[in-house]
Amino acid sequence: LAKTTQPISMDSYEGQEVNITCSHNNIATNDYITWYQQFPSQGPRFIIQGYKTKVTNEVASLFIPADRKSSTLSLPRVSLSDTAVYYCLVAAGTASKLTFGTGTRLQVTL
Amino acid sequence: GAVVSQHPSWVICKSGTSVKIECRSLDFQATTMFWYRQFPKQSLMLMATSNEGSKATYEQGVEKDKFLINHASLTLSTLTVTSAHPEDSSFYICSARDGGTEQYFGPGTRLTVT
Repeated sequence: LAKTTQPISMDSYEGQEVNITCSHNNIATNDYITWYQQFPSQGPRFIIQGYKTKVTNEVASLFIPADRKSSTLSLPRVSLSDTAVYYCLVAAGTASKLTFGTGTRLQVTL
Repeated sequence: GAVVSQHPSWVICKSGTSVKIECRSLDFQATTMFWYRQFPKQSLMLMATSNEGSKATYEQGVEKDKFLINHASLTLSTLTVTSAHPEDSSFYICSARDGGTEQYFGPGTRLTVT
C-alpha cells in the first residue's frame, strides 16, 4: 500500500481557500486517491476521489499532477464548520484495506 | 449515498465483561466490512477485514480471540470485545464496501471500560 505524507496541521481564516497537499511517491498504476474528512467522535466522511488530472464536486476539488506522486485537496471558501481532520488515502480500486496516515488537522477561525 | 450505522453509539462496561458492537449497511449489500480502532488524537487503525460468510482476517497485533468478528449477512457485521479491560477503551469504527472503489464509514462507537 502506498504511504502518504501530509502536513500535520493547517490554520485558515473563514472565507479563504485551503489547499492540502498529500505526497504519495509510491503510488501504483491501479491506485485511486481518496480524501476523507473526520470530525471529533464521528466516522470519516468521503469528500472526493480521483485517479488523475482534476476532479470537482460540490464541496471540493482534487488536483492530481501527471506523475500522480502527489495530490492537492482544495476547499473553497472554508467556514468554521470545515474544522476537522482530513485524510488522504491511496489504494487500488478493489483493495480490501485502507491505511490511514496521520491526517491534516485543519483549524478554521474567524 | 450509502449509509452505514453502528449500535450502540457509546457504551460503558465493567472490566472483565464482554460488549458487542453492531455495524449495518442500511441501503446496500456489503460483501466486505472493516473494523477500525481510533485512540484520542490518533489516526484510524485497521483491526480486521470481515467477509460475509467467512472468517475475518485480522491485522498483525490484533488478538482474534479478544476481538471476535462475525459477518453473518450482507448487511450486518458484529465486533465483540471479550473480557474488556480499560486499555480497550477506544473509538471503534466500521466501514463497508459495496463492491465499488469507495468505503462507507459508520458513525463510530465509543467504548469506555471501567
